[in-house]
Amino acid sequence: EVKLVESGGGLVQPGRSLKLSCAASGFNFNDYWMGWVRQAPGKGLEWIGEINKDSSTINYTPSLKDKFTISRDNAQNTLYLQMSKLGSEDTAIYYCALGSSIAYWGQGTLVTVSS
Amino acid sequence: DIQMTQSPSSMSVSLGDTVTITCRASQDVGIYVNWFQQKPGKSPRRMIYRATNLADGVPSRFSGSRSGSDYSLTISSLESEDVADYHCLQYDEYPPTFGGGTKLELK
Repeated sequence: EVKLVESGGGLVQPGRSLKLSCAASGFNFNDYWMGWVRQAPGKGLEWIGEINKDSSTINYTPSLKDKFTISRDNAQNTLYLQMSKLGSEDTAIYYCALGSSIAYWGQGTLVTVSS
Repeated sequence: DIQMTQSPSSMSVSLGDTVTITCRASQDVGIYVNWFQQKPGKSPRRMIYRATNLADGVPSRFSGSRSGSDYSLTISSLESEDVADYHCLQYDEYPPTFGGGTKLELK
């Protein structure tokens, strides 16, 4: 069974940084692109970016490229999202996603940016 | 970025209805459109991939179709468990983009 479990969310002050993790199991993590999607409260879904199997290619939505960094550790079956210079507009549930077509989603982790 | 214009944004439905939700792509995205179902407080679930293919475990009352740049999700004989939000996604071009979502509500 595919499982994607995000962690690392919480309350963070504006301007600070936060790093999210996604622990993957139930499939061969090394064989798949992985990505992140977010959803602001009561809003639609926004694709953040994705990373290929060996981390040689990382794509971002242009508006988020300067503040978010995606990485992965294949030995630990873990995907990461480093977020910097956070603002209130970044308050959202952050989902880990399997594959470019998003075959599976994690349960999400809530990030709240507020002073 | 490619715009996926999803309609309607909300819909009042009855059990047993046939429901159709549509996304119109601003550019050609080929077959690279997925549909997701999202229930309150839950993460999305892939229902349809590559425009017309039913994802594993999805009931056969769900179907996807394409007509030119219009992509549709149809639910035949709506059941109570189908009342949810639905989202389309194009992943033909970067960045992938979602439609605005459709909320189904029971009359």
